Amino acid sequence: EVSPVESGGGLVQPGGSLRLSCADPGFSVSNDWMHWVRQAPGKGLEWVSVVNTGGTTYYADSVKGRFSVSRDSSKDTLFLQMSSLRVEDTAVYYCARGGGFVVRYWGQGTLVSVAP
Amino acid sequence: DIVMTQSPDSLAVSLGERATINCKSSQSLLSFSDNKNYLAWHQQKPGQPPKLLIYWASIRESGVPDRFSGSGSGTDFTLTISSLQADDVAVYYCQQHYSAPLTFGGGTKVEIK
Repeated sequence: EVSPVESGGGLVQPGGSLRLSCADPGFSVSNDWMHWVRQAPGKGLEWVSVVNTGGTTYYADSVKGRFSVSRDSSKDTLFLQMSSLRVEDTAVYYCARGGGFVVRYWGQGTLVSVAP
Repeated sequence: DIVMTQSPDSLAVSLGERATINCKSSQSLLSFSDNKNYLAWHQQKPGQPPKLLIYWASIRESGVPDRFSGSGSGTDFTLTISSLQADDVAVYYCQQHYSAPLTFGGGTKVEIK
């Protein structure tokens, strides 16, 4: 089973912005529910957001107002725009294809580090 | 938000023996409209992304060995590995897929005794 592929991670200062991308080879990010889930170093999983096939988005309270999910149908790519980043946003960010609210096919993840 | 609580935090089981992981939700995950429990289990092996094992509390994802089984209803759920294999060393997470915001349990680390 082909999994999503994330990119765009890196080091950013607190208060900065970063945009993550996710492509899903063999599938259309517009035709599936697409999730973002993160995992801080040595910690458990924290769900971040989902966008459904109709374009409705849901966010965790911890990122609401700071993170935004969008899709570019022409590039068949999902984005996670992150702003006002905090040290506690440091994590591996996974993109995952869902079956509704079930997080089904996980990508390999991309590391975001927020540090001075 | 629905809070998911797993127990134990870790367990060590001998090869071939049964491993049992519990997950409790702060509110019922049973939908009366379709009589399904909206609870999933994920496995994360060291250095790898998670992998979906079970959804709707007891439905195994395609390709998942039948030694993995899920049970429970309402607020109390269990993941059972009937005969632990070396390849099953991992952290296991429950996840409610009943409503947003989605939430995960804290994870249970399974090791070989």
